[in-house]
Amino acid sequence: DARVTQTPRHKVTEMGQEVTMRCQPILGHNTVFWYRQTMMQGLELLAYFRNRAPLDDSGMPKDRFSAEMPDATLATLKIQPSEPRDSAVYFCASGLVPDGEMVSNQPQHFGDGTRLSIL
Amino acid sequence: DAKTTQPNSMESNEEEPVHLPCNHSTISGTDYIHWYRQLPSQGPEYVIHGLTSNVNNRMASLAIAEDRKSSTLILHRATLRDAAVYYCILRSRGTASKLTFGTGTRLQVTL
Repeated sequence: DARVTQTPRHKVTEMGQEVTMRCQPILGHNTVFWYRQTMMQGLELLAYFRNRAPLDDSGMPKDRFSAEMPDATLATLKIQPSEPRDSAVYFCASGLVPDGEMVSNQPQHFGDGTRLSIL
Repeated sequence: DAKTTQPNSMESNEEEPVHLPCNHSTISGTDYIHWYRQLPSQGPEYVIHGLTSNVNNRMASLAIAEDRKSSTLILHRATLRDAAVYYCILRSRGTASKLTFGTGTRLQVTL
């Protein structure tokens, strides 16, 4: 089965450092989601792309976080500068939403996440 | 967003069917019912979804009440690999239709 690939799987760094997380969506999928999961907050949506265009990043702290899709096979999430409160597992998910279909009617396929620890 | 209510935990014996319930009494007419599961140290995994009619796929079946205020995920023959936290989620129309996970049901499967 095709899978969403996330790198790195683990990242430990000191506060203030730049962190870049990468995601390779399933080939042919046209939607990409970035989520963050913590014990306290559960799963939070950070950003949503459709056909590489950012459609919703309202859940993302704009001052330090940025999300991009340089091409259809790569999505990135950057944190600069990182802070200890950013420690979490970051998941990327992709899906295929045909034209005219609602995203609510389509499944999302998740990667195994990047476990980020900011010291 | 409409909320869902699930039991905190359930147990099942291997090779037996499992019925995981979910209440969603405030569901709106356009909300889709999605089920995901999450194994330890893994990302959430899509299981099944539906709107009004019952649905079957290779992983499970979804039974939706006629009034849509509740649904049941059915695993026909539980295996040890099915031990996970199962989340029942309502997805509404909207730009992102984000997944909002509640506390879910932790399923334990024993030999």
